[in-house]
Amino acid sequence: AQSVTQLDSHVSVSEGTPVLLRCNYSSSYSPSLFWYVQHPNKGLQLLLKYTSAATLVKGINGFEAEFKKSETSFHLTKPSAHMSDAAEYFCVVTPRGTGRRALTFGSGTRLQVQP
Amino acid sequence: GAVVSQHPSRVICKSGTSVKIECRSLDFQATTMFWYRQFPKQSLMLMATSNEGSKATYEQGVEKDKFLINHASLTLSTLTVTSAHPEDSSFYICSARVPEVGGQPYNSPLHFGNGTRLTVT
Repeated sequence: AQSVTQLDSHVSVSEGTPVLLRCNYSSSYSPSLFWYVQHPNKGLQLLLKYTSAATLVKGINGFEAEFKKSETSFHLTKPSAHMSDAAEYFCVVTPRGTGRRALTFGSGTRLQVQP
Repeated sequence: GAVVSQHPSRVICKSGTSVKIECRSLDFQATTMFWYRQFPKQSLMLMATSNEGSKATYEQGVEKDKFLINHASLTLSTLTVTSAHPEDSSFYICSARVPEVGGQPYNSPLHFGNGTRLTVT
């Protein structure tokens, strides 16, 4: 079994300040983890992924995430928020190397960026 | 880079009619595509897995006779909402895994279409 918990449904930051979106997971298997961003009425765009290589993963648009097995976390960070970062963010987990197809989506975190 | 194209982006139809949504992989072959439904301010719900050349696999609670899926080629999957009702109004998103060289297929990330906003009046 696997699950994903995005600890904050809504995060508000000021432009230029750091962003932290939290994600905790549970998985019976070694997981692959992803962060996706969704702008209004759009599909999801992949920000970054962890699949067993380096635990600190760098993605697009200045985002990065660190896989911490001991904490079962995969928090998304960005040093300085931009207005264009305002969107919905989803943390996704899938079992790695088991042949299973299932992805589990978190409930999403809406990021608001104040000018 | 890999692109998944979904069409139409927005459709309004009358109750009782059918609507077809197309999902295409533009520069890669997708033997498997996934169809999701998203309610307002909620996460994505997997509806079905579309398999090229065979029957789709539906998630529990999803009516296969209402949501017809056809995956006739390696680059096209279609979702047809039959006899649509207002409660079928939703945001539908398709996705596909892009194969990665040397990687395990189930570890490669999903690439998503831009979604289709269906409104049934």
